Parts: sequence; C-alpha cells; structure tokens
Amino acid sequence: DQQVKQNSPSLSVQEGRISILNCDYTNSMFDYFLWYKKYPAEGPTFLISISSIKDKNEDGRFTVFLNKSAKHLSLHIVPSQPGDSAVYFCAAFSRGQNFVFGPGTRLSVLP
Amino acid sequence: DTAVSQTPKYLVTQMGNDKSIKCEQNLGHDTMYWYKQDSKKFLKIMFSYNNKELIINETVPNRFSPKSPDKAHLNLHINSLELGDSAVYFCASSQSRPGAGTEAFFGQGTRLTVV
Repeated sequence: DQQVKQNSPSLSVQEGRISILNCDYTNSMFDYFLWYKKYPAEGPTFLISISSIKDKNEDGRFTVFLNKSAKHLSLHIVPSQPGDSAVYFCAAFSRGQNFVFGPGTRLSVLP
Repeated sequence: DTAVSQTPKYLVTQMGNDKSIKCEQNLGHDTMYWYKQDSKKFLKIMFSYNNKELIINETVPNRFSPKSPDKAHLNLHINSLELGDSAVYFCASSQSRPGAGTEAFFGQGTRLTVV
C-alpha cells in the first residue's frame, strides 16, 4: 500500500522554464513533508521541507506547496537549470512513524 | 569530508554467502537508519537506531541484522544471501529521532548484487 505517490515517473522541462513535481499521500496523519534530490550513484540529498501548519515554503528557486485537503504537495523549481536534472523523491512523516518515501520522479532539464 | 559514508560502494557475491555493509557518520547525529531501494526504486526503511538503541524494525527477514557499536556507526550484516536481496542499500542519519523539522542525511549507497 503506497502511502506516498508520485504518479509521474519522469518529466522533461526546457531550461529556464518552471518544473512542477507532484506528490500525493493517503495518510492524513502525515504532518511533515520533505523533498529529496538524487543524482545517479549518489545518495538522496535534502532539498526542502514543509510542516503541515503551512501551505507554502520557499528557498531560492525551490518552493513547496501543500494542499492538506487534497493531500497533495508540489515542488516548483523556477527557473529550471540543467543541473536540476535528477530524481526527486517526496517523503512524508507522522508522529510515531518513520519517513515514508514516494517512488521518485526523474526530472530532465533540457538546454 | 563525507558526512555519511558507507562501504563498500559495490558488492557482488554468491547466493548463500554472508556479507556486511558498514556505515559511519561524522555529523554527531543521534539516529541512524538503513534503507533499501528495490528494483522499483522505492526507498523503504529497514531499521533505525537512536543512541545505539533499536527504535524501528520493519518487516525484514531475520537474515538481516543491524549492529550499532556506537552512535556514529550502524553496520548491516546479511546472512545466507538470496537473489532477492539484490538492491541498493542506503545508510542515513538524522540529528534526532524522526520528527517534524528533522531531515535525514544519506550515504552514497551500496549496490548489492547477488548472483
């Protein structure tokens, strides 16, 4: 049973445009969400997070939006750069559990 | 100066063998984890230790045994390796127990191939 879903396995975006990566979750107890970025042959690296008491968190080119009623969050990257090409994992957490990861979305930013 | 390092990076071994993967973190974190990334690319928690104490033990075969000699190290020993154990294993650490405001830092992964 996938509690965290990333329904798009891959996404291609032109350099300079906006990348939008989506994540859906089923467990309404999740109260903290994270995005990780992973390059080939490396471990995931933390990118940005958001608490369930917020609906938006911004860090430079990266913004995460949370819609609790829809159990949906998204990561916006503006402007997209070729170095952003990687696999992006959405992760969620609820008290008493551990981090639950989605299957990832492979982003390709085309020059 | 790697924060979370795991060795070896690649491991190819025959079915039935016993192998270990080592992990060390120099971040001063209290909590360490082992994750398994399967062929479908899902990252799934296997174990978690906080200050050398096992706090999370997901449904993992008994052939997998974690050992934490101190809070900076969490090793994974696997007995009687099977073909289905082939995967990438990630070690991670976090400053405290999983919680809001806590993020995990990952090692580079160990690709285990059982032949």
